Amino acid sequence: RKEVEQDPGPFNVPEGATVAFNCTYSNSASQSFFWYRQDCRKEPKLLMSVYSSGNEDGRFTAQLNRASQYISLLIRDSKLSDSATYLCGLSGGSNYKLTFGKGTLLTVNP
Amino acid sequence: DAGITQSPRHKVTETGTPVTLRCHQTENHRYMYWYRQDPGHGLRLIHYSYGVKDTDKGEVSDGYSVSRSKTEDFLLTLESATSSQTSVYFCAISEAGIDAEAFFGQGTRLTVV
Repeated sequence: RKEVEQDPGPFNVPEGATVAFNCTYSNSASQSFFWYRQDCRKEPKLLMSVYSSGNEDGRFTAQLNRASQYISLLIRDSKLSDSATYLCGLSGGSNYKLTFGKGTLLTVNP
Repeated sequence: DAGITQSPRHKVTETGTPVTLRCHQTENHRYMYWYRQDPGHGLRLIHYSYGVKDTDKGEVSDGYSVSRSKTEDFLLTLESATSSQTSVYFCAISEAGIDAEAFFGQGTRLTVV
């Protein structure tokens, strides 16, 4: 089983829609969780870390469920500029191995 | 932007030749990672380093070796390049500690012909 499984997508949504992404992970010892955004032909950049209590940054909300071993990202009121690939990542272990899901492509349409 | 530089940015090489990609950082971060990214596969970890001369394998390490002789440089070597190693390679760095953000280089586009 892969360490990180992510919704394959792609997601095509109209402006203003709410969209959710999910990732499941297999290693219960994972310690840190992230959502990264990657624009076409660019490097990934951190969107937000995911904390146990859940966290929000404007239109973006991230959740962590350790019992079920998944993380989620909710985007409200989607904008055209949200079009990108979203990658979930996690790290853990004594050497902070950092692994990612396959990414989900989001296209927001006018 | 974090001080991380990959070189070369683009390379075309022939099957069977050795290739070395360089990742250089000016942030003094302890952790460095090499990934490859291919359509349908996302970012796959090749090797990573948790300190000078301390490295470990990722999920797709076959055909690759790495070296880290000083904090700022992490080298990825393809001993004998194959067409299946045509990909975009990303280096990333991270400070120690839980929730530490990873910063990525701009990527190296490698084509093996």
